[in-house]
Amino acid sequence: GQNIDQPTEMTATEGAIVQINCTYQTSGFNGLFWYQQHAGEAPTFLSYNVLDGLEEKGRFSSFLSRSKGYSYLLLKELQMKDSASYLCAAPSGSARQLTFGSGTQLTVLP
Amino acid sequence: GAVVSQHPSWVICKSGTSVKIECRSLDFQATTMFWYRQFPKQSLMLMATSNEGSKATYEQGVEKDKFLINHASLTLSTLTVTSAHPEDSSFYICSASTGINQPQHFGDGTRLSIL
Repeated sequence: GQNIDQPTEMTATEGAIVQINCTYQTSGFNGLFWYQQHAGEAPTFLSYNVLDGLEEKGRFSSFLSRSKGYSYLLLKELQMKDSASYLCAAPSGSARQLTFGSGTQLTVLP
Repeated sequence: GAVVSQHPSWVICKSGTSVKIECRSLDFQATTMFWYRQFPKQSLMLMATSNEGSKATYEQGVEKDKFLINHASLTLSTLTVTSAHPEDSSFYICSASTGINQPQHFGDGTRLSIL
C-alpha cells in the first residue's frame, strides 16, 4: 500500500523561503510528484523526481531521497499568489494511478 | 501540450437525477484516464481508473453501479453519477497522462451539488 504524510498547514511571509516536507512509504517506487492546487481549482503539475537530489525550476525546487523515503518542495521569493495547497503524490500500479498526500495548505502573508 | 478538458464545470440538480461528466484529452491520446473525487478541505481520492475499450477498475468502496465509467475512445472518458443524492455532492476531477511515469494533467473539475 501507499502511505504519504505531509504537514497540514504552513504560514510564511511574502519574499521568504518555505520548505514543505513529504514522507512516503510505497510498495515499489515510481517517482514522486508535487502538485499545486488553488481553492476550487484542479491541481497543476509542479515537479517529478525519480532520482535522488535536487531539481530546480525557477522559484520552485524539489528534492528526493529514496533511501529515506523523503521529499521536499522548496519555494523561494514567496508571492501572495503562492497561497495554495501543495500535494505530494506517488504513482503505483501498472496504470501509475496517483495516491495523494492530504496536502499542505500554505498561506503567504504580506 | 497535454491539455485535458472536463465538462461541465458546475452542476446543480435535484436528488435522483443522473449526471454525466465528460473528460477529453485535447492534444494527445490517453489509453488510461483517472477519476478523482475531492470533498471540502480534503485531498483527492482516486475513484477509478478508466481504460479505453475495457472495463474501468474501481477503488475499494466505490460503487461501480453508481459511478458508471465509459472510455469509448482514446480521447474521451465519461463518468455518470446515477441517481445522485446529496451525499454525492463533491468536486469530481479527471486526469490523463501522455505515458507511463509522465505527469498526470488534470481537467478543471466538475463541482456537483445535489439538492
